[in-house]
Amino acid sequence: DGGITQSPKYLFRKEGQNVTLSCEQNLNHDAMYWYRQDPGQGLRLIYYSQIVNDFQKGDIAEGYSVSREKKESFPLTVTSAQKNPTAFYLCASSIWGYTSQETQYFGPGTRLLVL
Amino acid sequence: AQRVTQPEKLLSVFKGAPVELKCNYSYSGSPELFWYVQYSRQRLQLLLRHISRESIKGFTADLNKGETSFHLKKPFAQEEDSAMYYCALSGFNSGGSNYKLTFGKGTLLTVNP
Repeated sequence: DGGITQSPKYLFRKEGQNVTLSCEQNLNHDAMYWYRQDPGQGLRLIYYSQIVNDFQKGDIAEGYSVSREKKESFPLTVTSAQKNPTAFYLCASSIWGYTSQETQYFGPGTRLLVL
Repeated sequence: AQRVTQPEKLLSVFKGAPVELKCNYSYSGSPELFWYVQYSRQRLQLLLRHISRESIKGFTADLNKGETSFHLKKPFAQEEDSAMYYCALSGFNSGGSNYKLTFGKGTLLTVNP
């Protein structure tokens, strides 16, 4: 294990509050990803980044924002605009993000709950 | 658009029985297919990819382009195989410059003693 760390393990959000989930990797990977995992829904891509200071929306980006100021860090902010934020959030990385055969390496996840 | 379908949410077999987890895909190009596995209290990890044509933990998967399938098989299931299995397709992300991994909804495999 190691490689990709996510914190916190559990996070509670109050109504109208923005919360930020941390993701750090020491694999020297260029590409990083955020997924949302809901029971019976599989994993859905929220945002991804292939290089520092650049990121792209995934399939369900509404209500979320990201930044990529450092290669090893890709924090995700769940904003108050996200009406159904309760889910398990997974961060992943891959070596480049430009080839079809890359393995993605996943963090342990953060469970977000709404109070 | 790319899509991955895993028709079974739950699959239960007895130890020593053969197991097959089904995966069908839809993609206009040449796909790269993967199986990822999530054991209880462990992080999601790659099990195998079709391009490697390898057997991992006794599991194999063959890409059938005619049937657009990538079923995961093991001849004799073990209790430690109990986990959530996700089929995933890597296809070019139109409008972008990268490949996007699309996951199926997953199949929870339970191997009973």
